[in-house]
Amino acid sequence: GAGVSQSPRYKVAKRGQDVALRCDPISGHVSLFWYQQALGQGPEFLTYFQNEAQLDKSGLPSDRFFAERPEGSVSTLKIQRTQQEDSAVYLCASSPPRLAGGQDTQYFGPGTRLTVL
Amino acid sequence: AQSVTQLDSQVPVFEEAPVELRCNYSSSVSVYLFWYVQYPNQGLQLLLKYLSGSTLVKGINGFEAEFNKSQTSFHLRKPSVHISDTAEYFCAVRGSGAGSYQLTFGKGTKLSVIP
Repeated sequence: GAGVSQSPRYKVAKRGQDVALRCDPISGHVSLFWYQQALGQGPEFLTYFQNEAQLDKSGLPSDRFFAERPEGSVSTLKIQRTQQEDSAVYLCASSPPRLAGGQDTQYFGPGTRLTVL
Repeated sequence: AQSVTQLDSQVPVFEEAPVELRCNYSSSVSVYLFWYVQYPNQGLQLLLKYLSGSTLVKGINGFEAEFNKSQTSFHLRKPSVHISDTAEYFCAVRGSGAGSYQLTFGKGTKLSVIP
């Protein structure tokens, strides 16, 4: 596709349920990022992949959050035992390889709005 | 570590008037600077970026920004706004070193263009 896609666009979960959020990056982009955007706030970094390797997960708020990118393309952010404070928009972004230039720009998807009741 | 302050949470402006959205940053290392725009229920779209070179950067939709290292600012400007510019604008910073990758965002400024 032409851009980063995310699914579902909207997710409502009952407290305690597990959820999985999917990100399809731009084809050929080796870097993939997840951000969390709470209501009225700017996005905050969660985790970073280079190909299939998760190089930084320092922003994940708790051990209930888990991200994977097993084949270096599609990524899934999983949240176990969701809590109300997990309600936010989860944004995925990707960047091209450094040698291809433009690696400084992150291209964002439309996000998944998670509401935990 | 870096931080970004967007001084105005909301900016109302009349159509065809000029606008400036302010952004200040803090960092102990050299940085790259970005402005993103977010329309309702959409992701972030890059408006412009400063990596190096000329401190005046021109972006899409007629926006421009000027990097001022001494004042640690990167204010966004447009000489004449249109209704379609109504959106939320985010300033972001990233270290310029090879090992830097994560963006640090400000809290955003909501621009409302009044007909």
